[in-house]
Amino acid sequence: AQSVTQLGSHVSVSEGALVLLRCNYSSSVPPYLFWYVQYPNQGLQLLLKYTSAATLVKGINGFEAEFKKSETSFHLTKPSAHMSDAAEYFCAVSDWQGAQKLVFGQGTRLTINP
Amino acid sequence: DSGVTQTPKHLITATGQRVTLRCSPRSGDLSVYWYQQSLDQGLQFLIQYYNGEERAKGNILERFSAQQFPDLHSELNLSSLELGDSALYFCASSLRTSRAYTDTQYFGPGTRLTVL
Repeated sequence: AQSVTQLGSHVSVSEGALVLLRCNYSSSVPPYLFWYVQYPNQGLQLLLKYTSAATLVKGINGFEAEFKKSETSFHLTKPSAHMSDAAEYFCAVSDWQGAQKLVFGQGTRLTINP
Repeated sequence: DSGVTQTPKHLITATGQRVTLRCSPRSGDLSVYWYQQSLDQGLQFLIQYYNGEERAKGNILERFSAQQFPDLHSELNLSSLELGDSALYFCASSLRTSRAYTDTQYFGPGTRLTVL
């Protein structure tokens, strides 16, 4: 079965600094990978998704992620953090078992320091 | 706004009770998914329906059941509630379900269930 591991339950960066959120996946087949963001008291919003078209995926709000098969990683980055980026971020892999259920990591809470 | 609506937003009830959570998918989406988010278990897939038929089950308790109606809205029924059922329940929808293509799942705002 597919799974994802997010390294670091809590990441804190200064405003303007690089954001790097780590995600490693385990999959027996070429994976479909996703990053979702959850703002306080809200649902999950898709940031970006990888479906094998290109290894560098650009998403909304300036985020991007690079699929590295050799490292089984799909880390999320943003060159310059903004206060509005403070939220919880979830990496997920699509697990086909008769349905495309999403298997989520434990989440990383991103805090932005002024 | 994802286009997925869920009602109610908050639900407070007592142990042993039964509740129904409702989800309306995005216009045109045929697939509905239910997920549970709790502090100890994280985000977990519960069940999926496609065009009225159950397609997959995840970590869904026997006390829980769901259905998708002809108008494609879905309901998640939780019965004999326990304190541990307190969680945020999300509904998501996608256009279709296919091994060959991964449709994006769009999530609703969730229903926060508190069992006292």
